[in-house]
Amino acid sequence: QSALTQPRSVSGSLGQSVTISCTGTSSDVGGYNCVSWYQQHPGTAPKLVIYDVSERPSGVPDRFSGSKSGNTASLLISGLQAEDESDYYCCSYAGSYTFPSVFGTGTSVTVL
Amino acid sequence: QMQLVQSGAEVKKPGASVKVSCKASGYPFTGHYIHWVRQAPGQGLEWMGWINSNSGDTKYAKMFQDRVTMTRDTSISTAYMELTRLTSEDTAVYYCARAVATGVGISFRLRRFDPWGQGALVIVSS
Repeated sequence: QSALTQPRSVSGSLGQSVTISCTGTSSDVGGYNCVSWYQQHPGTAPKLVIYDVSERPSGVPDRFSGSKSGNTASLLISGLQAEDESDYYCCSYAGSYTFPSVFGTGTSVTVL
Repeated sequence: QMQLVQSGAEVKKPGASVKVSCKASGYPFTGHYIHWVRQAPGQGLEWMGWINSNSGDTKYAKMFQDRVTMTRDTSISTAYMELTRLTSEDTAVYYCARAVATGVGISFRLRRFDPWGQGALVIVSS
């Protein structure tokens, strides 16, 4: 399995929107609605912000939303806040019970 | 609330082994697999493998297959990851994460990792 491809970095001003892409193949992202997104602030553990492509766990602000088209999933952060400055990783089910998951390469979001 | 609490930071010499623990609370421990993921300094997330918390069955990523052992103790809701023959390239933060999956066989789907442990820093240095 190869890592899912994410842009190395994206940036946006306070209040604006940014979109992070996550490109895989028909064997992972494109084949299943099992894409999740994790936010990771420096020195802390990843935290789930989106699962099943577009579901938001309780407690996650509704400015976070997810979608998918073909082999590419996307995380949209609307109304950027200072606390959204973080690294973000996507993850997809990869079709195998034994080797079930593949992570993205990670994207650093900067709030200008 | 659901929580995974890991053991503390370790400093090891090359060639040594390290064993990291991951204690679960707030959910039935044997109802979910535990996965281990590591993150080298400044790098992304690297999946290492999983353990079935109920049966103890394991599966490891190929690059760790001959050096890693994952175990669990259901009496204390704790999973363990031991990595042997450490080198400087094993310097990383090691995370455990609860897997949320549905279905069996062809309908199996791993949907998300939630929660994650706080991470255990392992430094390998002479």
